[in-house]
Amino acid sequence: EDKVVQSPLSLVVHEGDTVTLNCSYEVTNFRSLLWYKQEKKAPTFLFMLTSSGIEKKSGRLSSILDKKELFSILNITATQTGDSAVYLCAASPSYGANSKLTFGKGITLSVRP
Amino acid sequence: DAGITQSPRHKVTETGTPVTLRCHQTENHRYMYWYRQDPGHGLRLIHYSYGVKDTDKGEVSDGYSVSRSKTEDFLLTLESATSSQTSVYFCATKKTGLAGGPYNEQFFGPGTRLTVL
Repeated sequence: EDKVVQSPLSLVVHEGDTVTLNCSYEVTNFRSLLWYKQEKKAPTFLFMLTSSGIEKKSGRLSSILDKKELFSILNITATQTGDSAVYLCAASPSYGANSKLTFGKGITLSVRP
Repeated sequence: DAGITQSPRHKVTETGTPVTLRCHQTENHRYMYWYRQDPGHGLRLIHYSYGVKDTDKGEVSDGYSVSRSKTEDFLLTLESATSSQTSVYFCATKKTGLAGGPYNEQFFGPGTRLTVL
């Protein structure tokens, strides 16, 4: 059975701190790892990673995948209160008609002023 | 986003009544999904569709059925709602790649909050 585990489950930091969110996975025929941000509404897509060791960046957010050790991290630098959200990671097997995402339970990040 | 709407956005119903949730997309994405999200469980797949009239079960499909008679609409039906089906329901879509296979990014609708009393 495919599995995705995120840690920590929740995190409280102050504005300006840097945070690292962890995601480990066990997925048969793994193809890609995705990160989403969820505020009090639908998840919004952040990154998709398919290659090991290549960092993806978007502003203060960055993510990297390690396919040997089966994990990914999401870094947020200079955190702001607007970064407060649940961060979800999901893993996907190889492309195919029935390719489905397996989600972790999410990490709740609270950024205090 | 993929122009996904869900209706209704909120619903309160009683145990034993049938309920149908609708997902509508305007991007002509081939793949569509229904998830439920509950505290402590994250997002769990209920059913999915890989084309018109082509559907399959996810990990928590008991008590739910789906139908997809046209590309843009994916319906989720609770035949006889139970309190354990109180949840937030999200629809998602995924487009098809040039070679016919899917990309992996899924785009989510705004969600439906369902309460079963």
